[in-house]
Amino acid sequence: GNSVTQMEGPVTLSEEAFLTINCTYTATGYPSLFWYVQYPGEGLQLLLKATKADDKGSNKGFEATYRKETTSFHLEKGSVQVSDSAVYFCALKDDFGNEKLTFGTGTRLTIIP
Amino acid sequence: EAQVTQNPRYLITVTGKKLTVTCSQNMNHEYMSWYRQDPGLGLRQIYYSMNVEVTDKGDVPEGYKVSRKEKRNFPLILESPSPNQTSLYFCASSSLRDLGHYGYTFGSGTRLTVV
Repeated sequence: GNSVTQMEGPVTLSEEAFLTINCTYTATGYPSLFWYVQYPGEGLQLLLKATKADDKGSNKGFEATYRKETTSFHLEKGSVQVSDSAVYFCALKDDFGNEKLTFGTGTRLTIIP
Repeated sequence: EAQVTQNPRYLITVTGKKLTVTCSQNMNHEYMSWYRQDPGLGLRQIYYSMNVEVTDKGDVPEGYKVSRKEKRNFPLILESPSPNQTSLYFCASSSLRDLGHYGYTFGSGTRLTVV
């Protein structure tokens, strides 16, 4: 079955540091890949997505590139801000007509001033 | 505003007392789903619905029921809640056509505590 593995958290960084949150997946075919963000007390919001190999999703300074050869979709940001403190979830949807999104366990990110 | 609305946001109940968490979406989405979020386990799907009167089990359906009598509503029913159902619950919806491109729209969550 499909699965998503994220790096263990929590992750604590200083403001303006470089961020990487690793995500690898297991799925057959060519899944769509997503990063969701969950701010404290809120639901999940779509941060960015990529639907085919080598696509780069980007939003709010975050980027992730769909790497089919390494089955990865790592999230990066060049200079984090305190407002980026949240829980980040990597997710996939396969292309076999299964509408379920499979999520990773989430990575809690805390940015300190 | 396009949104998924869940109620209540917070609920404390006692073991065995039936409860319903409501979910409503205003985007005419065919697909709706319930997830629970637990520390270290991420989000796990409870039930989903492809359209009116079409529901199916997800990965952790035990102890839950759902119904889809109208396209916009997808309530989650706990007939006899137990403490192991203490969790954060999310309702989500999507257009079937757009799901692979845009994923789900999530509600704000319902934090349920069963004592």
